Amino acid sequence: EVHLVESGGGLVQPGGSLRLSCAASTFTFNNYWMSWVRQAPGKGLEWVAHIKGDGSETHYADSVKGRFTISRDNADNSLFLQMKYLGVDDTAVYYCARTVGPTPFDYWGQGTLVTVSS
Amino acid sequence: DIQMTQSPSTLSASVGDRVTITCRASQNINSWLAWYQQKPGQAPKLLIYKASTLQSGVPSRFSGSGSGTEFTLTISCLQPDDFATYYCQQYSSYSVSWTFGQGTKVEI
Repeated sequence: EVHLVESGGGLVQPGGSLRLSCAASTFTFNNYWMSWVRQAPGKGLEWVAHIKGDGSETHYADSVKGRFTISRDNADNSLFLQMKYLGVDDTAVYYCARTVGPTPFDYWGQGTLVTVSS
Repeated sequence: DIQMTQSPSTLSASVGDRVTITCRASQNINSWLAWYQQKPGQAPKLLIYKASTLQSGVPSRFSGSGSGTEFTLTISCLQPDDFATYYCQQYSSYSVSWTFGQGTKVEI
């Protein structure tokens, strides 16, 4: 069974930083593009960023470009999201999810909640 | 960015009904369209990818169709477990933003 487990969420003040992690298991991690998707309370889904299997390519939503950095450690089967200059609009549950070939987001983690508030 | 517009936003239905949700893309995405189901407090679940391919383990009452800019998700015979929110998503290229529709809540 594929497992994706996010961690690192919490309460942070506006302007602050936070680093999210996603631990992957039971699949060949470096064969997959990995993504972060977020969902603000009571709102819809928003793709945040994704990274190629070998880490050579990354892309970001305009809303986070220049503030968030996606990275991965294939030796440790881990995905990361470094978030800086956080604002209240970044408050959301953050999910990691995998993609391979024509199949997007076939597995998701349970999510980690980030709350930006003073 | 490619905009995805779902309709309706809310759909009231009964068990046994045939339900159709529409998703429109602001530009041609060929068949790079997925549908997800989400229940409260849970992560989304992939139902259909490449517009019409049923994900493994998903009941056959779910089906998808369309290409280009117009897509539909159909639930042929609504079951109690199907009351949820459904999202479409385009994934036309890794080098452009992937975008979701705003969601359709299917309620009793």
